[in-house]
Amino acid sequence: DTAVSQTPKYLVTQMGNDKSIKCEQNLGHDTMYWYKQDSKKFLKIMFSYNNKELIINETVPNRFSPKSPDKAHLNLHINSLELGDSAVYFCASSPPSGTSLEQFFGPGTRLTVL
Amino acid sequence: GEDVEQSLFLSVREGDSSVINCTYTDSSSTYLYWYKQEPGAGLQLLTYIFSNMDMKQDQRLTVLLNKKDKHLSLRIADTQTGDSAIYFCAEKNYGGSQGNLIFGKGTKLSVKP
Repeated sequence: DTAVSQTPKYLVTQMGNDKSIKCEQNLGHDTMYWYKQDSKKFLKIMFSYNNKELIINETVPNRFSPKSPDKAHLNLHINSLELGDSAVYFCASSPPSGTSLEQFFGPGTRLTVL
Repeated sequence: GEDVEQSLFLSVREGDSSVINCTYTDSSSTYLYWYKQEPGAGLQLLTYIFSNMDMKQDQRLTVLLNKKDKHLSLRIADTQTGDSAIYFCAEKNYGGSQGNLIFGKGTKLSVKP
């Protein structure tokens, strides 16, 4: 059983398009995250979200927006894609603070913008 | 702000020990982590250490924490070719109230037969 899943695994698209990446977790966690890993493998937090609070990394352009239809899902919408958006995007989830220590990561979505 | 630093590359021979070092800046960090990323794969938690500990051992892995110097290391004993991967040091960011991880840039470990 996959704990954190993402779709699609690969996404190739043209500059200027709008696209979405989906994330689902079946762990019953309260908090979900999106991280971006660039071509040099540097990992940075983009968003963290639970049903009460969205925290946005201020360096993330507002073309990126997380959408959470329910506690188990946190999708990432990207408008007007740019070449620099090409990266691997990882979704993660974690239980409430003070319970478990681990963040569980999805397998990643490799986005290529042409 | 918070920052986590690691050297980018390490090359060892099979059977040797590998030591990957990390420094962090946030003295309020209570948990520090080591994640492993194999080529084309996601992130796998290897081990973690609580800030009131100096050392943690788990089979071939030994984590050392020097809280005074804000220095964390991961030692892999008897390194195997299957250990070749990128290793990320991470600290938990409590400033944003939801505990996202702040990662170092990753150390690429290459193990030569």
